[in-house]
Amino acid sequence: ELKVEQNPLFLSMQEGKNYTIYCNYSTTSDRLYWYRQDPGKSLESLFVLLSNGAVKQEGRLMASLDTKARLSTLHITAAVHDLSATYFCAAFQGAQKLVFGQGTRLTINP
Amino acid sequence: DAGVTQSPTHLIKTRGQQVTLRCSPKSGHDTVSWYQQALGQGPQFIFQYYEEEERQRGNFPDRFSGHQFPNYSSELNVNALLLGDSALYLCASSPSGGAWDTQYFGPGTRLTVL
Repeated sequence: ELKVEQNPLFLSMQEGKNYTIYCNYSTTSDRLYWYRQDPGKSLESLFVLLSNGAVKQEGRLMASLDTKARLSTLHITAAVHDLSATYFCAAFQGAQKLVFGQGTRLTINP
Repeated sequence: DAGVTQSPTHLIKTRGQQVTLRCSPKSGHDTVSWYQQALGQGPQFIFQYYEEEERQRGNFPDRFSGHQFPNYSSELNVNALLLGDSALYLCASSPSGGAWDTQYFGPGTRLTVL
């Protein structure tokens, strides 16, 4: 059974700082996703990572995948308040079943 | 493109009642998945529908059932509601042919069971 674990679960940062969210998964998965969720809202797709060594960047967010280590990271550069949200990673199990991590609640303070 | 739509937005029910939630997939998508997200947790996979059949199912009791219609829209039915069924129910759609495409999530239905 695929399990996905994120850390940290809670992260409070100052604007302008850099930080990384880690996502470990327990068994082989051929796709890794990152989603953002604002309070009371649905999930917004950020990145899909398909192969070992994949790196994708959008603005201040960069995601990477190491399939050998079963690890994905979401790096935040020079954080701004607008990035405050909960971030989820999810890996695929079977045909199209997404298994989500617990989420990382990110708060960025001025 | 309207994206994935869900109805209703909010719903309040009492224990023992039954509820039906609805989902229309994004244009061009024929596969619909349902997830339950309890407060403060990550979404959990309930089941997936493709070609009007349940293709995969998560660890949920038979009280949870679904249906997919010829136009690819889908319903989630929950019978004999329990307090623990209170959650945000998310529908996600994806195209079957595009194996590497992202699942797109709808806005969700917030179900409260009293």
